Amino acid sequence: AQKVTQAQTEISVVEKEDVTLDCVYETRDTTYYLFWYKQPPSGELVFLIRRNSFDEQNEISGRYSWNFQKSTSSFNFTITASQVVDSAVYFCALRMDSNYQLIWGAGTKLIIKP
Amino acid sequence: DTGVSQDPRHKITKRGQNVTFRCDPISEHNRLYWYRQTLGQGPEFLTYFQNEAQLEKSRLLSDRFSAERPKGSFSTLEIQRTEQGDSAMYLCASRKGTSGSLDTQYFGPGTRLTVL
Repeated sequence: AQKVTQAQTEISVVEKEDVTLDCVYETRDTTYYLFWYKQPPSGELVFLIRRNSFDEQNEISGRYSWNFQKSTSSFNFTITASQVVDSAVYFCALRMDSNYQLIWGAGTKLIIKP
Repeated sequence: DTGVSQDPRHKITKRGQNVTFRCDPISEHNRLYWYRQTLGQGPEFLTYFQNEAQLEKSRLLSDRFSAERPKGSFSTLEIQRTEQGDSAMYLCASRKGTSGSLDTQYFGPGTRLTVL
């Protein structure tokens, strides 16, 4: 069965702290794709990153970085020097090669306090 | 590209009434999805169109729900005889293709439905 687990329901940190959001996935497929989306209070899901299963290189985009480890089936997301505007719910999602439906985690609500 | 747009953004209705939502995907995106999201949960897949063809429907989509995409551009989602359990955010997403990063779905702002 395919599944995405985001064990952290809510995280609260003070501005400028670094924070890591965990994502653990389950699939038997060898080819799959992982995504992170951000959902601010306005409600729109904003695409952040897509990673395929053959590319284990970590990625950095400004203050955002992603650590993909197939050995632990994890695709964790780190925000460095967090800002209040980073406050949102963050979703991790999985897609298998066999279809285009996304399997979603339950999301992690991130609160950045000034 | 302009993003995915949805209308209305908010809808309040009384139980038993019919409601219709509209989604305009990103131009040239021929794949379109509808999702439902309740508080504290990730999106739940409802249905998927490739051009005007509805290729997949979730079991969540009861007979009271119907979706169309008549010309392969905008789509509508209708809920008949609404129930309080239908209260949720209804999200639309589109994607361009199948190869490489073209599979990425881009989402609209959603329509928040409240059934009284």
